[in-house]
Amino acid sequence: QVQLQESGPGLVKPSGTLSLTCAVSGGSISSSNWWSWVRQPPGKGLEWIGEIYHSGSTNYNPSLKSRVTISVDKSKNQFSLKLSSVTAADTAVYYCARGLDSHEGGYYYYYGMDVWGQGTTVTVSS
Amino acid sequence: SSELTQDPAVSVALGQTVRITCQGDSLRSYYASWYQQKPGQAPVLVIYGKNNRPSGIPDRFSGSSSGNTASLTITGAQAEDEADYYCNSRDSSGYVVFGGGTKLTVL
Repeated sequence: QVQLQESGPGLVKPSGTLSLTCAVSGGSISSSNWWSWVRQPPGKGLEWIGEIYHSGSTNYNPSLKSRVTISVDKSKNQFSLKLSSVTAADTAVYYCARGLDSHEGGYYYYYGMDVWGQGTTVTVSS
Repeated sequence: SSELTQDPAVSVALGQTVRITCQGDSLRSYYASWYQQKPGQAPVLVIYGKNNRPSGIPDRFSGSSSGNTASLTITGAQAEDEADYYCNSRDSSGYVVFGGGTKLTVL
């Protein structure tokens, strides 16, 4: 079955850029799914960062949009996250996840995220 | 953008039934999905769509919806169901949104 694995630096300096990659195994990133990044600050809830389709189409959380770039590399079957101008408030566990949705009878149905990576902790500190 | 509102904490006696709710305008247009998250672990999808369970999720978990409120019901709660539960959907602009989470305690 599909598995996701996040990778990237665990420590980023303030004002720097956070860069993470999510490797997709057991399936193709070119399948009919949106691929998301979600984060969770220590002791807090889940926050959606953004998503990408294999075509390169993206949607970003409006509150983070000015600092976020999500890209896809179909040749490597992976997608990536860049978050610029980071502060301590960006310290969190970052997850990648596969989105599920469907178009049936002219209607769109969102079915959540069915596969998640294990998460990677990123700390913003000097 | 749209918000999804959940009660911060709910408790249930072992073996009893508990309902966790999620409110938001977007739920009039989109189904809610529900996730279980235990400490130190990634979220796990437990309910999606009208009332669908992914493979491996016990049938004591069920979902329902009415108006702007979605509910996750656990019938016969077990000790292992103690966890944080999150709802999510898309908002009117198509963005993904999560509820603030509900901490379920099984007494």
